Amino acid sequence: DSGVTQTPKHLITATGQRVTLRCSPRSGDLSVYWYQQSLDQGLQFLIQYYNGEERAKGNILERFSAQQFPDLHSELNLSSLELGDSALYFCASSVGDRSSYEQYFGPGTRLTVT
Amino acid sequence: AQSVTQPDIHITVSEGASLELRCNYSYGATPYLFWYVQSPGQGLQLLLKYFSGDTLVQGIKGFEAEFKRSQSSFNLRKPSVHWSDAAEYFCAVGIPGGYNKLIFGAGTRLAVHP
Repeated sequence: DSGVTQTPKHLITATGQRVTLRCSPRSGDLSVYWYQQSLDQGLQFLIQYYNGEERAKGNILERFSAQQFPDLHSELNLSSLELGDSALYFCASSVGDRSSYEQYFGPGTRLTVT
Repeated sequence: AQSVTQPDIHITVSEGASLELRCNYSYGATPYLFWYVQSPGQGLQLLLKYFSGDTLVQGIKGFEAEFKRSQSSFNLRKPSVHWSDAAEYFCAVGIPGGYNKLIFGAGTRLAVHP
């Protein structure tokens, strides 16, 4: 158990809908990351937050947005969902925001868009 | 742009046999290098990392990896594989001094025969 929690574990929704994925980082970690794992794209970095501020952005679609709240939990919002958004979404956390800090991954949220 | 190549999509070994998983990276300098393992239904767990110094790195679960600058490689090895090592293995790079955005390879799925 990494100490990173993600809810829900599974989510099934229809095209065009909007969903919110939630992540609670390990106690003491200030940085949160979101990754998408799909069969065709592999594991891709989406976005990083540190203490409430966006730090780095990857291949995140405009239909997706994220935020980190004052209690350090983070939410990833996915809207106007398409079949291709079906994937496993991981959250990770680390103490600092730089690449020397180890990232701890949660178990993921599996999103299925039908 | 940075990239990571894991040439082997699937590898099957017998229990007790040695293992080597290949990883090559593309980056203008020496990146930070990582190996992660993903067991079915689990998040990613860090096996080992290389930042600088000794090019042979020891990790958890009996794994080691060797950084070879001349070959831009960071291959993962284990002298004797156990059935519980069956999982997917990901090589990743990070940018020294940069934000903590990891670039992952496509992964190698390891099967272990009894």
